[in-house]
Amino acid sequence: AQSVTQLGSHVSVSEGALVLLRCNYSSSVPPYLFWYVQYPNQGLQLLLKYTSAATLVKGINGFEAEFKKSETSFHLTKPSAHMSDAAEYFCAVSVDSAAGNKLTFGGGTRVLVKP
Amino acid sequence: DSGVTQTPKHLITATGQRVTLRCSPRSGDLSVYWYQQSLDQGLQFLIQYYNGEERAKGNILERFSAQQFPDLHSELNLSSLELGDSALYFCASSVPLAGGPADTQYFGPGTRLTVL
Repeated sequence: AQSVTQLGSHVSVSEGALVLLRCNYSSSVPPYLFWYVQYPNQGLQLLLKYTSAATLVKGINGFEAEFKKSETSFHLTKPSAHMSDAAEYFCAVSVDSAAGNKLTFGGGTRVLVKP
Repeated sequence: DSGVTQTPKHLITATGQRVTLRCSPRSGDLSVYWYQQSLDQGLQFLIQYYNGEERAKGNILERFSAQQFPDLHSELNLSSLELGDSALYFCASSVPLAGGPADTQYFGPGTRLTVL
């Protein structure tokens, strides 16, 4: 079975600083990896996804993530934080399975952006 | 706006009661997924339907059931409600491909269920 671990349930960054959110996965088969963002009182919105085409994935709002198989990681970064980046971020994994393609989520990381 | 709609937005009910949550997927999407988000369990997959048929089951209690109708909308039925069922319930739908693991799942705004 696959699993996802997000290091740090809360991250505080200053506006303009680097945002780094860590995600490690466990999967016995090649994974598909996703980052979703959840703004207060809203549903989840896809930021980016890795589907084996390229290890460096660019997403919306200036975010990108790099798939590192040797480290089983898929960390999310943004060079310069904006106040509007304050939200909760979820890393998720999906695998090719005859039993459907559910998303398995990490515990989430809440980002606070300080002015 | 993801194109996935869920009703109602909020639901307050008492223990022992039964409720029905409704989801309309994006136009043309054949797969519907239900997830539960709670403070103690996080985001958990409940069940997936593909074109009217159950495709996968996750951590869904026996008191919960779901179905997908011919028009592709889906309903999640929760019965004999307990305090611990209070959570945000999300529906998601995915693009009309074969329903593979690389498909993007588009999430609705959720239904917040409060059991008193």
